[in-house]
Amino acid sequence: AQSVTQLDSQVPVFEEAPVELRCNYSSSVSVYLFWYVQYPNQGLQLLLKYLSGSTLVKGINGFEAEFNKSQTSFHLRKPSVHISDTAEYFCARRGVLGFQKLVFGTGTRLLVSP
Amino acid sequence: SAVISQKPSRDICQRGTSLTIQCQVDSQVTMMFWYRQQPGQSLTLIATANQGSEATYESGFVIDKFPISRPNLTFSTLTVSNMSPEDSSIYLCSVGWESTDTQYFGPGTRLTVL
Repeated sequence: AQSVTQLDSQVPVFEEAPVELRCNYSSSVSVYLFWYVQYPNQGLQLLLKYLSGSTLVKGINGFEAEFNKSQTSFHLRKPSVHISDTAEYFCARRGVLGFQKLVFGTGTRLLVSP
Repeated sequence: SAVISQKPSRDICQRGTSLTIQCQVDSQVTMMFWYRQQPGQSLTLIATANQGSEATYESGFVIDKFPISRPNLTFSTLTVSNMSPEDSSIYLCSVGWESTDTQYFGPGTRLTVL
């Protein structure tokens, strides 16, 4: 079955420190991968996506992610976080044939403190 | 992308009543989706609502409980029927286009059932 694993439920980090949020997916076929961010009391905002091409994907707010097919990973990184990055981050996948449904991970709460 | 609005943004309802949530998009979209996010959890797809056809429900969700309408390419409604406290969740509308292979989310409707 399709699944997305976000092993870290919560990641605390100090402001201006680098951060990596981990995402692994299960798949025996090609996939599209996404990272969404949910700020408190808001909906989901698309951070970045991997559809094809370069395995390093750059998104909004200084975030980037690297698609690693051999390790079935799509980890999200930011070299220097801000207090305003405090939010819930969701990794999601979908198949590439047609417009298949998104399968979400359980989310990682990023807590940035001064 | 698209501007997606949902009404109401939040509501507190009594057990046994029903609530209809509206989703309005500022452009025509092929596919619309309804998700549920239970407290502290990830997103689960309830159903896919394509204009001109019956909604397709995911396992565990039935039309009698979550009837959906999709009268045109910019609007959809989700009704949560005969509510119980277990229905307390955030309900999110999402839209997508096959040309972009990407889904965008509305701000969500925060429902509390007493």
